[in-house]
This record gives sequence, C-alpha cells and structure tokens, in this order.
Amino acid sequence: DTEVTQTPKHLVMGMTNKKSLKCEQHMGHRAMYWYKQKAKKPPELMFVYSYEKLSINESVPSRFSPECPNSSLLNLHLHALQPEDSALYLCASSQGQGNTEAFFGQGTRLTVV
Amino acid sequence: QQPVQSPQAVILREGEDAVINCSSSKALYSVHWYRQKHGEAPVFLMILLKGGEQKGHEKISASFNEKKQQSSLYLTASQLSYSGTYFCGTEGLNDYKLSFGAGTTVTVRA
Repeated sequence: DTEVTQTPKHLVMGMTNKKSLKCEQHMGHRAMYWYKQKAKKPPELMFVYSYEKLSINESVPSRFSPECPNSSLLNLHLHALQPEDSALYLCASSQGQGNTEAFFGQGTRLTVV
Repeated sequence: QQPVQSPQAVILREGEDAVINCSSSKALYSVHWYRQKHGEAPVFLMILLKGGEQKGHEKISASFNEKKQQSSLYLTASQLSYSGTYFCGTEGLNDYKLSFGAGTTVTVRA
C-alpha cells in the first residue's frame, strides 16, 4: 500500500464552524506533513510531525491545529477560518524527516464561506 | 526560503526537449522534483542528494550542482503525458523543510 488517504475530498464550512481534515498512511512512514496549496501556486509547508511529535510549525495561525494521534494518522482541526483560508490542503508522508521521497494524498478542497 | 524556478512555462511539441532550472540561495542537502497534473496530487519524480549527481526517470533526468546550489530537470523526447506543473523542492542543511519553487507549467502538444 503506497497510498496516503485524505478525507473528506471536499469541504465547505462557515467561518464559525469547527471541522477536521484527516490523513492516513500505512507505509510505516514516521514523518507526516500538512501543506496548503492555492490555485496556480506551489504547496506551502504548514506543519511537520516526526515520530508523532510536532517538529516544524511554519508560523501557522492558531485557527489551524494539527494532531498526530498515532504513527498512521494525522489530523488538522479547523476553527474560525477566514475565506482566504480556502485552498487545497495536502497531506504527505515520508520514511523520515529529510532527504526521502514524500508521498502526497489527493488533498481536501476546502471552501470557507 | 523558496527556491527559484525558471522558466515559468514552456510549450513543446511531442518529441522536443526542455530544461527546467532550480536554484537556491541557501546550502542544500537535497533537491526533489515533483510533477502535478491539474486537480491531482504532486507525484514524486526523483531526489538528488550529492553534488554532480544525475538521475533518470523514463526520459526525464536531473542533475544537481552542489557548489552552485542549482538543479536542472531535463525532459527528453517529450510525450503528451509529460504535461503538468513541475515543482522543485529543496531541503536545507539541518532544517529538513521541503520548500517548493513556484513551478514550471509544461504543455506538450501533438
């Protein structure tokens, strides 16, 4: 299994809602990532977990809250988002943090209304 | 710090060649190349770790000049399936942050 599975594929939420994005991999990878991608732009790194511990937070606003319950799962909790947060949210995993191939999920297309 | 990619876009006919360049102002540990088709996730092509290293994936190859902190991706005898946006990703020494360049949109026409 070389897949990274993200759910849901699409999400529309209001600015007062609380929702969560989920990511799962069963490749035994120990590093997991959240990226945000706007249309026609490159993926921007948000968070990195290494061995289930948050190792990088790229100064992301607190309305985004990551969680890594175990080595296979990665969540991104969303609360009080703004319309400009609408984007494709990509999860990725790799064997370790650094110099290894990253496998990307298909992403969650988020629209904040 | 984001690497700089060039060109922004390239249009090719099937069978033509192209080169995409990626450069960084910081010392690099590795350079990654990914291709993303519209509406899909980025797909890994290759990673380069050492100075002067070259790798290949089908008729796509890449080089990494560690001294200049530059990498180039070579599309040889392009096929329609090569269309997409190519991103270089770079990791600095000790920071383990994979940062992507702005991307190069490649369109291959029959």
